[in-house]
Amino acid sequence: DAGVTQSPTHLIKTRGQQVTLRCSPISGHKSVSWYQQVLGQGPQFIFQYYEKEERGRGNFPDRFSARQFPNYSSELNVNALLLGDSALYLCASSSGGPTGLISPLHFGNGTRLTVT
Amino acid sequence: AQKITQTQPGMFVQEKEAVTLDCTYDTSDPSYGLFWYKQPSSGEMIFLIYQGSYDQQNATEGRYSLNFQKARKSANLVISASQLGDSAMYFCAMREGGDTGPRALTFGSGTRLQVQP
Repeated sequence: DAGVTQSPTHLIKTRGQQVTLRCSPISGHKSVSWYQQVLGQGPQFIFQYYEKEERGRGNFPDRFSARQFPNYSSELNVNALLLGDSALYLCASSSGGPTGLISPLHFGNGTRLTVT
Repeated sequence: AQKITQTQPGMFVQEKEAVTLDCTYDTSDPSYGLFWYKQPSSGEMIFLIYQGSYDQQNATEGRYSLNFQKARKSANLVISASQLGDSAMYFCAMREGGDTGPRALTFGSGTRLQVQP
């Protein structure tokens, strides 16, 4: 089975632009989460979606938004890009429900976003 | 306060030796899960091992074991018989329980492990 797939792998944008990142979960996984990993740090939680509904949001500004489609794939949108948005954006899926404690997150390879 | 603390920014180990990566955590929730992930230079986060707060025994997965000391709030990862391919960043993470809300992972700052031949 294919793992979590993300596209694109790399992206270069200019300050003020908008970007859309895409994620396809492991087949059968209904929960998708997004994380931001700034260089030299651990990932930080941005969003969780389950059955097309937002189930949680981390401490990120409203410039960040996401959605989940009927096939459980997901998009992360970031508007009005800032230099500080440069990071590796990781998508993860899990087989558990939105409140599942045990199910591990399975991550994709990430999208590396550079804002200049 | 930091929820997950990894005090070792970098570690070196000789091939075939064992190594322990430290992780301490802070939570008031009686129900939580602790995870370890490996991140090679390619960027993918690879799930290694899980320990639940109510688990009586320490978790083991192949060469990985988790030294869980609940009273000390520590969850150290032990890698036995290190291999060159174990060179990577290692992250400790926690997911807290509770009645509602998402089960977001909180990650530590990571430990970079280098295995030397």
